[in-house]
Amino acid sequence: DAKTTQPNSMESNEEEPVHLPCNHSTISGTDYIHWYRQLPSQGPEYVIHGLTSNVNNRMASLAIAEDRKSSTLILHRATLRDAAVYYCILRPLEGISSGSARQLTFGSGTQLTVLP
Amino acid sequence: DARVTQTPRHKVTEMGQEVTMRCQPILGHNTVFWYRQTMMQGLELLAYFRNRAPLDDSGMPKDRFSAEMPDATLATLKIQPSEPRDSAVYFCASGLVPEETQYFGPGTRLLVL
Repeated sequence: DAKTTQPNSMESNEEEPVHLPCNHSTISGTDYIHWYRQLPSQGPEYVIHGLTSNVNNRMASLAIAEDRKSSTLILHRATLRDAAVYYCILRPLEGISSGSARQLTFGSGTQLTVLP
Repeated sequence: DARVTQTPRHKVTEMGQEVTMRCQPILGHNTVFWYRQTMMQGLELLAYFRNRAPLDDSGMPKDRFSAEMPDATLATLKIQPSEPRDSAVYFCASGLVPEETQYFGPGTRLLVL
């Protein structure tokens, strides 16, 4: 399975942008890049995902390098409620008929601390 | 606002006792996942169901763990007998094939003494 590498921790000031990097040099052509986050004492929460093009949603933006070997999750204005562990996950595209598990393989993620 | 629900939220039990955790997936979702989270191992998949059929339970200790979906609105994870090393937070997630997003419940925090 293709693996991802993230910094263990990052800090940001409140209301400033945050760029969370992820390296995935062994990514395959059919791997989607997913980001989830886990707030304290809660289950993981979907943030965003993409394949090749940059993606935006109400929570964040995902910038994907042209060679797809790295990506960056961008929180445009960090709030205290964004303090969480952020996971970058590669997930292969499989057919609907595939019986293999569609689990998310979580690494250790990046602990984001937001300073007031 | 549709959410995955899990009960109980907390469970303290003694070694050897049976533990049953329940999950109600989001209505209409056709996949259910059970994950376990510990400080040492992080998040690990235990079982995966699609349309109520178990497709993958390779991450689950077969001798003491069992997972079922009696109907589309209920998934259960049982541990019998429980051991202290089973202490963890157990998460249920549901999703809808072919979409990729998984929606997680709040988890059941289990402590086996």
